[in-house]
Amino acid sequence: QKEVEQNSGPLSVPEGAIASLNCTYSDRGSQSFFWYRQYSGKSPELIMSIYSNGDKEDGRFTAQLNKASQYVSLLIRDSQPSDSATYLCAVKLGYSTLTFGKGTMLLVSP
Amino acid sequence: DADVTQTPRNRITKTGKRIMLECSQTKGHDRMYWYRQDPGLGLRLIYYSFDVKDINKGEISDGYSVSRQAQAKFSLSLESAIPNQTALYFCATSARERNSPLHFGNGTRLTVT
Repeated sequence: QKEVEQNSGPLSVPEGAIASLNCTYSDRGSQSFFWYRQYSGKSPELIMSIYSNGDKEDGRFTAQLNKASQYVSLLIRDSQPSDSATYLCAVKLGYSTLTFGKGTMLLVSP
Repeated sequence: DADVTQTPRNRITKTGKRIMLECSQTKGHDRMYWYRQDPGLGLRLIYYSFDVKDINKGEISDGYSVSRQAQAKFSLSLESAIPNQTALYFCATSARERNSPLHFGNGTRLTVT
């Protein structure tokens, strides 16, 4: 059974700090990896996708993928209170459906 | 206008009632999905459809049924609602390409009393 594990948090960081969110997955054949942000009561919003080992940067966000360790992470630089949300890691094997982790709650204090 | 539209946004119903949640999309995607989200349990897949003639059960399909009326429309039915079906329901779409992400609707908050 495919599993995606995330620390539920909350992860608390001060404004301006780097927030580091981590995710591990069980299926070694997974090929596509996504990070979604979800505000309370709202729908998940795609913020990053990554498919190859290494880092991918988009503004203040950096996704990191290590397939050998079955590990994907999301770094948020210069964290803002508006970044306070739950971050969902999702993993996809080929053309199959996405498997989601349960999410990590991030709290950024002013 | 939202690319993935769910109706209703909120619904309160009684145990035993039949209820339908509707989803329509203008993204032109072939694939559509229904998820439910419960606190502490994350997003769980109920049903999915890779094209109009394709319907597949997800991990928690018991008590639910779906209909794919057209490429753009995918509805979820609760034949006889029960209180533990109280949850936030999301419809999502994706393109058929292998690396395609999901795009979510705004959700339907369902309460079964």
